[in-house]
Amino acid sequence: DQQVKQNSPSLSVQEGRISILNCDYTNSMFDYFLWYKKYPAEGPTFLISISSIKDKNEDGRFTVFLNKSAKHLSLHIVPSQPGDSAVYFCAASVNPGANNLFFGTGTRLTVIP
Amino acid sequence: ETGVTQTPRHLVMGMTNKKSLKCEQHLGHNAMYWYKQSAKKPLELMFVYSLEERVENNSVPSRFSPECPNSSHLFLHLHTLQPEDSALYLCASSQGTQGDRYNEQFFGPGTRLTVL
Repeated sequence: DQQVKQNSPSLSVQEGRISILNCDYTNSMFDYFLWYKKYPAEGPTFLISISSIKDKNEDGRFTVFLNKSAKHLSLHIVPSQPGDSAVYFCAASVNPGANNLFFGTGTRLTVIP
Repeated sequence: ETGVTQTPRHLVMGMTNKKSLKCEQHLGHNAMYWYKQSAKKPLELMFVYSLEERVENNSVPSRFSPECPNSSHLFLHLHTLQPEDSALYLCASSQGTQGDRYNEQFFGPGTRLTVL
């Protein structure tokens, strides 16, 4: 039973526009949420995170929004750049220090120059 | 070498073979992880080692046998695998559980395993 879901396997966006990647979760015990980015032939790398006490966290061009009542989070990238083309994984844990991360299946983002 | 390295990067094996995957971290971390990523499925945590002791084993079949001889090295020994075990196997490391401090996991590039 998948506890973290990314329902869009792929997304294409024009360079300079906003990319919005979505993620839903089912476990109400999740307290900490993360986005990882993966380029081909490389392992996932941590991008940005958010604690459940916040509804928004911003880091440069990347902003993560959390809606706890809807059990939904999203990653906004603006402006999108061709170098952002990668697979983005949403992940969740019951606390930030936990070993056990639950991942979604990923969304492949393609930014068209 | 820096970060987390994995060897081999690609492996093809028969169902009767025995092989091992190797992971090495150069980050001074205390915890190491094995994940499996099958096609169109999320990353699944297989094993967690903290200070060389196994702390998580997520119902993984016994044909997968992990070994952590020290905090820098992690192995996954494979024997009598099935074709459905074909997947990308990712290793990760972290500082270890630190309560409310984020336990960021650093991933290696993975080993692409094909079982014939």
